[in-house]
Amino acid sequence: SAVISQKPSRDICQRGTSLTIQCQVDSQVTMMFWYRQQPGQSLTLIATANQGSEATYESGFVIDKFPISRPNLTFSTLTVSNMSPEDSSIYLCSVVLGANEKLFFGSGTQLSVL
Amino acid sequence: GQNIDQPTEMTATEGAIVQINCTYQTSGFNGLFWYQQHAGEAPTFLSYNVLDGLEEKGRFSSFLSRSKGYSYLLLKELQMKDSASYLCAVTLPYSNAGNNRKLIWGLGTSLAVNP
Repeated sequence: SAVISQKPSRDICQRGTSLTIQCQVDSQVTMMFWYRQQPGQSLTLIATANQGSEATYESGFVIDKFPISRPNLTFSTLTVSNMSPEDSSIYLCSVVLGANEKLFFGSGTQLSVL
Repeated sequence: GQNIDQPTEMTATEGAIVQINCTYQTSGFNGLFWYQQHAGEAPTFLSYNVLDGLEEKGRFSSFLSRSKGYSYLLLKELQMKDSASYLCAVTLPYSNAGNNRKLIWGLGTSLAVNP
């Protein structure tokens, strides 16, 4: 398994501002994933963060809105830019580990935009 | 397209057995995950099925039928702490997903365990 530390755990932000979420893993991993879970919804993949290359974004998500950094094999950040109330959600970082490629999640960031 | 169906909500009684079903129609299949998610928390891994059949792990068991596109999660001797959302997710083969292994997530089944 992996210990994945994510912060902040929750934040309340004003419309138009930006928030950067940090994710630290206790082991080196090739890929880190950023998910969003809106109220009453399942998990939606935002992007895959690969060390040494640009993040790969899923349909409907763009780098200008969700810039991602991956400076090394244990750390990544996701920024939610120019926030609106529609960005209110839980944001989760995750990594794949093990032969079965199980997905392990950070504790999540509960974001509320006013 | 990709589609995973799970019941939205289920209710059961403490000490009983409950079966949560998941059916999927996806462009490929490599395996199927079950995750548990308590309110306000991140999902935690329960099981991963690749081959047909039943896999038992304590009070939880997971079944897969690849030919039918069907899986279920069986919870025995239910406890109050089992009240949570249960998420079914299918992994696609690399040939379908490119360089990154992709998961297709169901919307989750909210299970309420009553005393």
